[in-house]
Amino acid sequence: GAVVSQHPSRVICKSGTSVKIECRSLDFQATTMFWYRQFPKQSLMLMATSNEGSKATYEQGVEKDKFLINHASLTLSTLTVTSAHPEDSSFYICSANGFGTRVNEQFFGPGTRLTVL
Amino acid sequence: DAKTTQPTSMDCAEGRAANLPCNHSTISGNEYVYWYRQIHSQGPQYIIHGLKNNETNEMASLIITEDRKSSTLILPHATLRDTAVYYCIVRVASRGGADGLTFGKGTHLIIQP
Repeated sequence: GAVVSQHPSRVICKSGTSVKIECRSLDFQATTMFWYRQFPKQSLMLMATSNEGSKATYEQGVEKDKFLINHASLTLSTLTVTSAHPEDSSFYICSANGFGTRVNEQFFGPGTRLTVL
Repeated sequence: DAKTTQPTSMDCAEGRAANLPCNHSTISGNEYVYWYRQIHSQGPQYIIHGLKNNETNEMASLIITEDRKSSTLILPHATLRDTAVYYCIVRVASRGGADGLTFGKGTHLIIQP
């Protein structure tokens, strides 16, 4: 149990376009989902915390108008990178908090590799 | 959350126990020690966590010193598939999963055949 999926796994787009990444909890409901970004040879950096039915909370330095987060249901959160530029190329990973006795664990998706040309 | 210190990299022979240390000398009484790992180009995977008692599950064992200022993750019989970056994270676990994780640089464990 506690499987998180992401779609797409890889995307290549032109500069200036917008890209949407989906994060789904497949076999459980997640009250909170998180979005991370990882540049090559670096660690994961938390971008934002997403709660179902409310506005996301962004970490310092992350532009909320550029990285739009929608958490419309307990099993789906989306991250839209608007007007993407080459510096937005990165590995984007979502996670969801667990449930019951595992509520403080986070279950991660497989990641989405974004390349902006 | 308290800061952690881990070695940058470690090697271990296949089939042997891999012991990964983590220092967290500023840990608070209500902070847990969590371990995650990230295999190359994948999302992180939860391994184990503990407060002060030693813990064991099907993946690993976690040994926490009595003063809680350091801990060791033990993979009892390392395989090539255990090659990954291992992250030791200290965090409060009383907010119902509401907080994101702060990842340090982790330890790159390389299992040698």
